[in-house]
Amino acid sequence: DTGVSQDPRHKITKRGQNVTFRCDPISEHNRLYWYRQTLGQGPEFLTYFQNEAQLEKSRLLSDRFSAERPKGSFSTLEIQRTEQGDSAMYLCATTRGDYGYTFGSGTRLTVV
Amino acid sequence: QKEVEQNSGPLSVPEGAIASLNCTYSDRGSQSFFWYRQYSGKSPELIMSIYSNGDKEDGRFTAQLNKASQYVSLLIRDSQPSDSATYLCAVGLTGGGNKLTFGTGTQLKVEL
Repeated sequence: DTGVSQDPRHKITKRGQNVTFRCDPISEHNRLYWYRQTLGQGPEFLTYFQNEAQLEKSRLLSDRFSAERPKGSFSTLEIQRTEQGDSAMYLCATTRGDYGYTFGSGTRLTVV
Repeated sequence: QKEVEQNSGPLSVPEGAIASLNCTYSDRGSQSFFWYRQYSGKSPELIMSIYSNGDKEDGRFTAQLNKASQYVSLLIRDSQPSDSATYLCAVGLTGGGNKLTFGTGTQLKVEL
């Protein structure tokens, strides 16, 4: 247990369905990041929050993706109208500042 | 040119030997450098951070940074079978919200 909690651990969904993932950060970490990792690749940045403000979104993040962090606590990542190319491990990471991340266990998404 | 490059491996070393993992990066504005270890099916785990030129040692691990050459490396002394994993190099820009760019990782195999 890293202190960063992600739910669910695994999600299998049919193409076209919507899915939502949740991340609960370490309480004193004000920065929260979402990354996506596919097999054989390093994590790719999707978006990040400082407290409740979403400060940057990757060009990888299509209009089907949306993320929120209400009240600067937990965060959710929603994917609408899932496609097979969305199959990946979705990683949440948090940090207090300019330090290395603490990653959660990830949510593995399989779109069938 | 990829922003962060690593040899994908696998790098095989005998137990007890020194494993040397290398990483180059393209952005001269990079200020923070990290090494993560990732076991198969698990999320990345931070093992070393380095911010200044030179060497930084922590137990069996030594990180080396040369900003002029845009090169960062990780040495693992007395390699153990439990060190077998993929090692991810990550690079960040100060002021970029500590958004990290990851390499694709080097797979290390420590053989008995």
